[in-house]
Amino acid sequence: DAGVIQSPRHEVTEMGQEVTLRCKPISGHNSLFWYRQTMMRGLELLIYFNNNVPIDDSGMPEDRFSAKMPNASFSTLKIQPSEPRDSAVYFCASSQQGRRNTEAFFGQGTRLTVV
Amino acid sequence: RKEVEQDPGPFNVPEGATVAFNCTYSNSASQSFFWYRQDCRKEPKLLMSVYSSGNEDGRFTAQLNRASQYISLLIRDSKLSDSATYLCVVPKRGGFQKLVFGTGTRLLVSP
Repeated sequence: DAGVIQSPRHEVTEMGQEVTLRCKPISGHNSLFWYRQTMMRGLELLIYFNNNVPIDDSGMPEDRFSAKMPNASFSTLKIQPSEPRDSAVYFCASSQQGRRNTEAFFGQGTRLTVV
Repeated sequence: RKEVEQDPGPFNVPEGATVAFNCTYSNSASQSFFWYRQDCRKEPKLLMSVYSSGNEDGRFTAQLNRASQYISLLIRDSKLSDSATYLCVVPKRGGFQKLVFGTGTRLLVSP
């Protein structure tokens, strides 16, 4: 199993540009999460999907952020326009939701720098 | 009260020492908990799950105190390779799995 795959691994962009982060969850998992990690705020849940449907996007910081999951094997997180304060590591994670909470498996993350 | 609270540390201990971290949570309905480990510039990885009163795996023991709403992680005979940040994770109220991470406790094991 290849695990959760994220791309790109690193992204450097100028303020005002659009940024798209991509994620391929583990095959068979029905839940997908987008997290953002900074030194100041730790790991923050931005949005999560269950069976491709967004369940809770209350963690999305503002309208500049949007996420989609068009099918079970792909999700995107878009920031438009990007700002320097968006600089962080963005993690995608997936899990198999069942009766008992199960662990989430993380991708290696995308390190975003907005200059 | 924050959903999940951890002492950020760092905890500096010598090799072979025993060290324990606590994590408090606010959701009294939570049934299961996790400890994740995160190495510098890496993704978090599951260390232990806690579904009842506790769990033990080799040198690592996790315990749950529902009355006081905290979980602990005990590391015995600590190794240099145990140096990492340990994240406490609690599912958020609401049915679907929504994992809330603590900010982590940093452990530094020295020779």
